[in-house]
Amino acid sequence: DSGVTQTPKHLITATGQRVTLRCSPRSGDLSVYWYQQSLDQGLQFLIQYYNGEERAKGNILERFSAQQFPDLHSELNLSSLELGDSALYFCASGGLETQYFGPGTRLLVL
Amino acid sequence: AQSVTQPDIHITVSEGASLELRCNYSYGATPYLFWYVQSPGQGLQLLLKYFSGDTLVQGIKGFEAEFKRSQSSFNLRKPSVHWSDAAEYFCAVVGRGSQGNLIFGKGTKLSVKP
Repeated sequence: DSGVTQTPKHLITATGQRVTLRCSPRSGDLSVYWYQQSLDQGLQFLIQYYNGEERAKGNILERFSAQQFPDLHSELNLSSLELGDSALYFCASGGLETQYFGPGTRLLVL
Repeated sequence: AQSVTQPDIHITVSEGASLELRCNYSYGATPYLFWYVQSPGQGLQLLLKYFSGDTLVQGIKGFEAEFKRSQSSFNLRKPSVHWSDAAEYFCAVVGRGSQGNLIFGKGTKLSVKP
């Protein structure tokens, strides 16, 4: 158990819809990272928050957004969903030297 | 551009045999280097990491990795594979001056024959 929690575990939705994925970092960690794992793109970094502020951005689509709240949990919002957004979404907490990954949210867009 | 290459998509070894998974990186300066393992339906677990110093690093589950600067490589090894090692293995790098976002290779899937 990494100490990072993610909800929900699975999500099935339709194209055009909007979903929110939630992540709680390990106790004491200020950084949250979001990654997407898909068959064609592999594991890609999406976005990082540190203590409520956006710190780094990767290959995140404009339809996707994230935020980190005062209690340090983070949410990843995916809107106008397309079939190609079906993937496993991980969040991780930690920092430069070590990141601990949550179990992921598997999103299926039908 | 920064990148990580894992040239072997799928490797099959017999239980008890030795294992080496290859990883090469392309980066401006020596990054921090990591190996993660992902079991089916699971998240990513850190096996080991290299920052500096001794180029042979030990990790969990009997794994080790050797950093070779001249070859820009960070290969993962295990002397004797167990059936429970069947999983997907990812090599990753982080730039020393970065915010910590990992750049991953495409992964190597390991199958273990009884």
